[in-house]
Amino acid sequence: QQQVKQSPQSLIVQKGGISIINCAYENTAFDYFPWYQQFPGKGPALLIAIRPDVSEKKEGRFTISFNKSAKQFSLHIMDSQPGDSATYFCAAPDTSGTYKYIFGTGTRLKVLA
Amino acid sequence: SAVISQKPSRDICQRGTSLTIQCQVDSQVTMMFWYRQQPGQSLTLIATANQGSEATYESGFVIDKFPISRPNLTFSTLTVSNMSPEDSSIYLCSVRTGASYEQYFGPGTRLTVT
Repeated sequence: QQQVKQSPQSLIVQKGGISIINCAYENTAFDYFPWYQQFPGKGPALLIAIRPDVSEKKEGRFTISFNKSAKQFSLHIMDSQPGDSATYFCAAPDTSGTYKYIFGTGTRLKVLA
Repeated sequence: SAVISQKPSRDICQRGTSLTIQCQVDSQVTMMFWYRQQPGQSLTLIATANQGSEATYESGFVIDKFPISRPNLTFSTLTVSNMSPEDSSIYLCSVRTGASYEQYFGPGTRLTVT
């Protein structure tokens, strides 16, 4: 079964800075690797996702970097804003032949104004 | 994308009772999932709700405790049976179409068991 390790557990960044969250997975699977953003009291919202045969994907201020050989991927938030303060979850596809995602433990980001 | 609604949004229940949570999607979807999320914690998959057949449960979750129904491609229910305070959590419905990587979550049901 897939295992996902996410770090750091919490992160404080100044407004305008770069937030970086890292994830590592154990087993290779050809499916997307998504990131989710969750605000308090809300369900997780799909933020951005990357295919495993692509090394980088950028959408606005959010970028995923993917290192297939190292089995690691990371989320970069450029020009971080107080409105980005939320919990972020990475996910990796399960390798049991289902369409399940296995989620990381989450990173609580706080962007200081 | 898919818009998901859940009922109730929150509830306070007494120990030993049961609560049924409803999940409604605005379009037909291939897969529906039920997750549990303790406050400040990650997402734990309870089961995959299969249309027209029994749900597929993850390790640690059993049908007698969490019976699930999925009568069609847009609706599912999760029942939390014989509740104890340890069942206090947020329960999330999630959907995914087989042709897409996109998985969407509902707003969640916050359950408190006293």
